[in-house]
Amino acid sequence: QTVVTQEPSLTVSPGGTVTLTCASSTGAVTSDYYPNWFQQKPGQAPRTLIYSTNNKHSWTPARFSGSLLGGKAALTLSGVQPEDEAEYYCLLYYGGVYVFGTGTKVTVL
Amino acid sequence: EVQLVESGGGLVQPGGSLRLSCAASGFTFSSYWMHWVRQAPGKGLVWVSRINSDGRTTTYADSVKGRFTISRDNAKNTLYLQMNSLRAEDTAVYYCARVLVGTKSVLFDYWGQGTLVTVSS
Repeated sequence: QTVVTQEPSLTVSPGGTVTLTCASSTGAVTSDYYPNWFQQKPGQAPRTLIYSTNNKHSWTPARFSGSLLGGKAALTLSGVQPEDEAEYYCLLYYGGVYVFGTGTKVTVL
Repeated sequence: EVQLVESGGGLVQPGGSLRLSCAASGFTFSSYWMHWVRQAPGKGLVWVSRINSDGRTTTYADSVKGRFTISRDNAKNTLYLQMNSLRAEDTAVYYCARVLVGTKSVLFDYWGQGTLVTVSS
């Protein structure tokens, strides 16, 4: 069974920078996994931030960026705002099926 | 405005069945892949199933294969998820999502607000 692993929690100061990663149990993540990143706040549906590694949706704030880093997909938040406190999930494509990451709780403190 | 509205959730006994619906509006429904994603209370997101634009191609997560069936009615702009042989571990909020598939891209762009399914005796 494929497992996609993210950091359980990260804490960042307002205005700071934090990088979340997304690792696959099958090996290195490449652009062929079409990494998507989502933000979810309590009681809300997920909201798409990044698709296909590093592409932003029209509503994605400029401070969010996606990349591949050391064999993982990565989401970087630069100039973090208090409203960025949320759960973040990655999603990878495995040739017909998709697997979500375990999620990262980002705390802005 | 793109809208996805799920319905059909509720309380069902173990072994029972339920059919979820996702009513789409504000876009050309028949042009998009559609997916179901679920989230158990206090847990993470789990991908469940997908269906292509004309309904001929479907894929399922191993955890629901053989029990759940995804389908769509493009004339009614509606996506469905027929859930049979339900188990306690199927208890979750079920979301539908619109997915734009390009030559080198996959974009989950719009999500519904979800419908809660509770499997309990």
